[in-house]
Amino acid sequence: KAGVTQTPRYLIKTRGQQVTLSCSPISGHRSVSWYQQTPGQGLQFLFEYFSETQRNKGNFPGRFSGRQFSNSRSEMNVSTLELGDSALYLCASSLLAGGTTGNEQFFGPGTRLTVL
Amino acid sequence: DQQVKQNSPSLSVQEGRISILNCDYTNSMFDYFLWYKKYPAEGPTFLISISSIKDKNEDGRFTVFLNKSAKHLSLHIVPSQPGDSAVYFCAARLDTGGFKTIFGAGTRLFVKA
Repeated sequence: KAGVTQTPRYLIKTRGQQVTLSCSPISGHRSVSWYQQTPGQGLQFLFEYFSETQRNKGNFPGRFSGRQFSNSRSEMNVSTLELGDSALYLCASSLLAGGTTGNEQFFGPGTRLTVL
Repeated sequence: DQQVKQNSPSLSVQEGRISILNCDYTNSMFDYFLWYKKYPAEGPTFLISISSIKDKNEDGRFTVFLNKSAKHLSLHIVPSQPGDSAVYFCAARLDTGGFKTIFGAGTRLFVKA
């Protein structure tokens, strides 16, 4: 079974531009979450999608947005890029929407975004 | 507001000995706790988890302990192996109608041969 894939793996943009990152979850997984990882900050939760609906959102400005398609693939968009947006963006998928088992998330390798 | 804290940025342990990674949290509404391991240039991989209604979960060399009254959990690795050298993230899940997983900043474990 293929894992979570993210494209592109690396991206260089300049301030003010916008960027779209893509994530394909594991087949059959309907929940997709996005995280931002910066040195010393761990993984900061951006948002979670389930069945094309955003169910939860982290404390990020409105420049960060996302969506999920009917095939569970998800995209994340950042508009008006700032230098501080340079980070590793990770996507994770999980099988179940609730319950007390099987809640682990499977992460993709991430997209390394550099804003110059 | 850091709801999940890993206060030790790094830990060094001799091969064969026990590694203990600690994590503290502030939100009593977390219902599930997880540990992830991350190697450089890879995404985190799930290691072990524990429901908030349990106090211990064991999987091979890995055991997670949960102390709800102290809002503290720990991951024990026995015996430690050089391949365990990685960054370990503690995470806690919040169910608010949707799921939000809060991660700690991570602890880098070095296992010396």
